[in-house]
Amino acid sequence: QKEVEQDPGPLSVPEGAIVSLNCTYSNSAFQYFMWYRQYSRKGPELLMYTYSSGNKEDGRFTAQVDKSSKYISLFIRDSQPSDSATYLCAMDNYGQNFVFGPGTRLSVLP
Amino acid sequence: NAGVTQTPKFQVLKTGQSMTLQCAQDMNHEYMSWYRQDPGMGLRLIHYSVGAGITDQGEVPNGYNVSRSTTEDFPLRLLSAAPSQTSVYFCASKSSGGSFSGANVLTFGAGSRLTVL
Repeated sequence: QKEVEQDPGPLSVPEGAIVSLNCTYSNSAFQYFMWYRQYSRKGPELLMYTYSSGNKEDGRFTAQVDKSSKYISLFIRDSQPSDSATYLCAMDNYGQNFVFGPGTRLSVLP
Repeated sequence: NAGVTQTPKFQVLKTGQSMTLQCAQDMNHEYMSWYRQDPGMGLRLIHYSVGAGITDQGEVPNGYNVSRSTTEDFPLRLLSAAPSQTSVYFCASKSSGGSFSGANVLTFGAGSRLTVL
C-alpha cells in the first residue's frame, strides 16, 4: 500500500461545478497537509496548507483534514477553466521530507 | 525575486553519458531537494540537503549524485545516464525550523525535462 493514495482521474466537470479532490494516507504521524496545483509542463505551486484536523478556506478553495479517518480533501467552488490542472496532495510530520500523492488531473470545461 | 531556478529546461542524452542539472535559489532556504516526476508515480525524492555541506538520500537515489557547497546551489549529477532516468526533474527548497508556516512548504522550480536514448 502506498503511503499516500489519490485518485488519478482524469476528472472532467462543467464550468461552475463544485469539485472535490481527495487523498487518503496511512501514516498517522503526518501533521501538516498541503495542496499543490501543477499546470501542464510547469512546476507545482502551493495552493493551500493546513495543520491538523479541520477546515481552511481561501477564496473559492477549501481544504479539509480528517486525521481520524486519515483523509484530506480540497473543494473548489464555482470552478473555472483556469482551474484545469493536476492537483497534488502532500503531507509531512514536520520532519524534513514531504510525501506526495500521485496527483489528480482536473479539466473544467467551458 | 527569482525563487528556484533550474537549468537546462530540456536535455537529450545518450545512454552512458553524464550531465549535471543545475538548481539555484535566492530565498536563503536551508533545505533543498531533487524530485523526479513520472506518469502515475507522482513526485519521488532523489536527494535532499538540510544545509551547506550536508546531503542525504531520498527514495530513489541510485544513479544520481549531489553536493551542496553553498546555501544557494544544489546540483544533481547523473553519473552514467540510463533510459530509466528519462523523467521530469524538479528542484525544490524550503525554510527549516520555527513554527510551521507558508515558509516551511516547498517552493518548486519549473522543471528540467530529460530524455535518455
